[in-house]
Amino acid sequence: ETGVTQSPTHLIKTRGQQVTLRCSSQSGHNTVSWYQQALGQGPQFIFQYYREEENGRGNFPPRFSGLQFPNYSSELNVNALELDDSALYLCASRADMYQETQYFGPGTRLLVL
Amino acid sequence: QQQVKQSPQSLIVQKGGISIINCAYENTAFDYFPWYQQFPGKGPALLIAIRPDVSEKKEGRFTISFNKSAKQFSLHIMDSQPGDSATYFCAASKRTSGSRLTFGEGTQLTVNP
Repeated sequence: ETGVTQSPTHLIKTRGQQVTLRCSSQSGHNTVSWYQQALGQGPQFIFQYYREEENGRGNFPPRFSGLQFPNYSSELNVNALELDDSALYLCASRADMYQETQYFGPGTRLLVL
Repeated sequence: QQQVKQSPQSLIVQKGGISIINCAYENTAFDYFPWYQQFPGKGPALLIAIRPDVSEKKEGRFTISFNKSAKQFSLHIMDSQPGDSATYFCAASKRTSGSRLTFGEGTQLTVNP
């Protein structure tokens, strides 16, 4: 059984650019959630996908968007990057939307200059 | 609005001692309370979790104590070891919201040898 993987591990962008982060969920898991973790803080929920549909969104602007593919892997897209978008972006997968146990990937560290 | 408050922000204990981290929540609809451990450069890993119908849960050296009336829960690490040095996050979720996690701010634990 493979765990949750994310790519890339690190990324540097400049303000105004766009970025795409990728996540491969754990085998058999159909629900993926994305979280933003600023330095020294707890993760903040961005949104989650269940069977390719967005199902729940946190307090993030529309320039944060995502996709889930038929194999349940997922992408997080951020447009018009701002300095405050610098953070660790985590994805977590679980077997089903109402399963509480979530398994996190190692994250993508994004730096916006 | 911060729905889960965690304390202390940092904690230093001696090897063999007891580490205690506390969390308080506001939303009485929360029905699942996990604790995550995070090492530098890694994603959070689930340690132990509890539901509100139970007042205590123990797994090895880790114990969650839950006080529903006070809306508080805590993590106790018995016989703390240097390898336990990490950041610990409490979290809460509710099934009716698709089990999205609301995290506390984190506690940086250092266990001195």
